[in-house]
Amino acid sequence: QSALTQPPSASGSPGQSVTISCTGTSSDVGGYNSVSWYQLHPGKAPKLMIYDVTERPSGVPDRFSGSKSGNTASLTVSGLQAEDEADYYCCSNVGNLDYYVFGTGTAVTVL
Amino acid sequence: QVQLQQWGAGLLKPSETLSLTCAVYGGSFSGYYWSWIRQPPGKGLEWIGEIYYSGATKYNPSLRSRVTISVDSSKNQLSLKLYSVTAADTAIYYCARHLGRAFDPWGQGILATVSS
Repeated sequence: QSALTQPPSASGSPGQSVTISCTGTSSDVGGYNSVSWYQLHPGKAPKLMIYDVTERPSGVPDRFSGSKSGNTASLTVSGLQAEDEADYYCCSNVGNLDYYVFGTGTAVTVL
Repeated sequence: QVQLQQWGAGLLKPSETLSLTCAVYGGSFSGYYWSWIRQPPGKGLEWIGEIYYSGATKYNPSLRSRVTISVDSSKNQLSLKLYSVTAADTAIYYCARHLGRAFDPWGQGILATVSS
């Protein structure tokens, strides 16, 4: 099972929006509504930002939103802030194999 | 608020066994799957496997032959053993609670380095 495909990098100025894609197959992203997104800052515990494609855990700013179309899920960060600069990873279950696969990761830079 | 604390040997030689433990504080241990996830330096995240509080396990097929995940529910702890390690197993290892559709929260991570 290959990792889900994400762009290596994305960037935007403060206040702008950035969208990160996460492309899989009908066996993972396209087949289930269980895509989640994680924010990684060096030296800190990864943080859940989005689950079930579009749901935001309590405490996550509403600047973060998720969506999905076919085999591609997306994370949009609106109103970029300096603290949003981090690595972001998507994740999906692979239903027929009963395990989980992560994306290749995207480094978001706030210019 | 659930918190996960990890510990274990950080430096191993090739062919040795990586052994890590994760303790869960501040919340229920029962009723959840508990996962191990790793990130090699400069690379992406990889799900290693997980264990239900009662002991049922699931493993990444690519690692299944070298991994054992166990649980001690009396101590709210889970453990990871990865056998016959090589340099490719050098990574930050995280434990995390699996909520069924997402992993939350995560431990701080522990770097395990394999070097001769």
